[in-house]
Amino acid sequence: AQTVTQSQPEMSVQEAETVTLSCTYDTSESNYYLFWYKQPPSRQMILVIRQEAYKQQNATENRFSVNFQKAAKSFSLKISDSQLGDTAMYFCAFMTPSTRSQGNLIFGKGTKLSVKP
Amino acid sequence: GAVVSQHPSRVICKSGTSVKIECRSLDFQATTMFWYRQFPKQSLMLMATSNEGSKATYEQGVEKDKFLINHASLTLSTLTVTSAHPEDSSFYICSARDQLGLGGRETQYFGPGTRLLVL
Repeated sequence: AQTVTQSQPEMSVQEAETVTLSCTYDTSESNYYLFWYKQPPSRQMILVIRQEAYKQQNATENRFSVNFQKAAKSFSLKISDSQLGDTAMYFCAFMTPSTRSQGNLIFGKGTKLSVKP
Repeated sequence: GAVVSQHPSRVICKSGTSVKIECRSLDFQATTMFWYRQFPKQSLMLMATSNEGSKATYEQGVEKDKFLINHASLTLSTLTVTSAHPEDSSFYICSARDQLGLGGRETQYFGPGTRLLVL
């Protein structure tokens, strides 16, 4: 069974600085998808970034980038130039393609990130 | 694009009554939607997978007769909590999978959630 581990329950960063959130996963699949979702106090889940396992290039979305290490089964999220609005719970998620599963997301327990002014 | 709505956002009901929660994909079609439950300060727990035109698939431990799911169209899934009790009080979130991959294949988008309080 696939598992997702986020080893940092809470983190804090000063505004404008860079922070990295860690995520590791366990799977025997070779093709899969990885995601980072953000859940601010409003509790709306917002997609931050996605990575397809067969792509070696790390995904980037503006200030957000990932370090995807497939062999190590690691998928960390780097947030550059942190902003107060980045304060949220961040969930790492794994998914096997829907052709091989029901396509549901498997979530880590989350990392609570606080950006301090 | 890729917006999912959920209604109502908040509901308070008496014990023993039924509550229906709607989940709609507004600008894309979703043959598959998912229902999650989230307790305070915890991660999302998958309850069931909703498939358009067929029966939902429930996770182990989730009572299918208590949490009725209907996915009647490509843009609408409903979750009905029947005979609600205080222990059903929680935050319920739906998600819809973007089949056409407009936002990237297999990406799921989430509704804003429904806060249910059973008195």
